Formats: sequence, C-alpha cells, structure tokens
Amino acid sequence: DAGITQSPRHKVTETGTPVTLRCHQTENHRYMYWYRQDPGHGLRLIHYSYGVKDTDKGEVSDGYSVSRSKTEDFLLTLESATSSQTSVYFCAIGQGLDSPLHFGNGTRLTVT
Amino acid sequence: KQEVTQIPAALSVPEGENLVLNCSFTDSAIYNLQWFRQDPGKGLTSLLLIQSSQREQTSGRLNASLDKSSGRSTLYIAASQPGDSATYLCAVKGGANSKLTFGKGITLSVRP
Repeated sequence: DAGITQSPRHKVTETGTPVTLRCHQTENHRYMYWYRQDPGHGLRLIHYSYGVKDTDKGEVSDGYSVSRSKTEDFLLTLESATSSQTSVYFCAIGQGLDSPLHFGNGTRLTVT
Repeated sequence: KQEVTQIPAALSVPEGENLVLNCSFTDSAIYNLQWFRQDPGKGLTSLLLIQSSQREQTSGRLNASLDKSSGRSTLYIAASQPGDSATYLCAVKGGANSKLTFGKGITLSVRP
C-alpha cells in the first residue's frame, strides 16, 4: 500500500470530543492529503500539505485542522466532533503534482 | 466548477468479457486524469494516470484513453476476471495546483 499507515483503523467517539487521526508514510513524498468518503458525495478533500508546516484547506475544511511537523506524518484533528463528521477518512500521498496519488486503507470514524 | 460523472453506477458482466467503463467531465481544461480501483473496506489503488498531453495509457489488461475535447475518458478491461470485481473511480485534476475531482465510481461485478 505504498508505505502509508493510517491509525486508528476504527474509532467511535462522542459528540463534542476532540479526535486526532494519524497518517504516516515511509515514501518521503512531498504532498499529503486528507479526504473523507461518504455515500452520495464521493471523495472530498479536507486539507492537504505541500511540505513540512505547509498546509492548505480543501473543499470541506470546516471543523477540521491539520498539522505536519515531519515529512512522514500528517495529522487530522476534529476539534469538537459532530455526528456529521461520521465518515471514512483517507490519507493520500503524492510525490509531485504530476504524480499519481496513493491512498491508505482509511479510518472509519463514528461520532455518536 | 468541474463535475465528473460515471455512468452506470453498477455493472455486472460474465467472466471473460471485454468491457469499457466511462468517465465524463464538464471542463475540458484538465491537467491529468487518474483511474483508481477500490475494494470493499480498502483505500484506493492507482491504476493509470493520463497526463493532458497523452491520449492513452496501458497497464497489463487495462487501457485508459483520454479525449479532452469531448470531456471523456474510458477504461478498457480485457478478458475480465472475478478478481476485477471492485469499484472503479476516475478523478480529474484541473491544473497543476488544483485538487482532484472524483466521480462517484462504477461498481463492477464479474460473474464466474
């Protein structure tokens, strides 16, 4: 799976709690992305990073923050989880702007 | 705003059949187009990436073509096998620094 590890794989949390999802890569790729996948909406970009400490918002960034302090790690934080954030979250990496994206196996998050 | 459509949403074929999966997009000014495969409970696996200057790409039994002027790409699968059963997604990139816009996918079932 292109050296991408997402943790945890599954998580159940309560509304209002903070949650952090981790993406770790061993490929030394510059670009890292967080997507969510929902029935009827497909894949939507939350945030992305184009280098250490360089991040930007995607199309559905409200309620989410990210950090990238090392090349290999990209963290996604739900500051105060809501039921609408129940989803499957995927991390993806890319070597360059012309390169294919490679995805992790996802984290299934349920907010009760 | 770029929109990517994949029709039909599901397809069932007998083993051995050659088949074509379609992807259409509304803005022909694209940077590249990527085809992915997604197995249940898994992340996306990159199959083929076509740059805007290319007409097609091939990998084994897979061939993807791109016609920017008509806003279409096709993924051709030769001699389909039950192991090809999965959801196939296409994604279009509008510019070098643009995000990927995903279609909702075609769920393929190859019957033994």
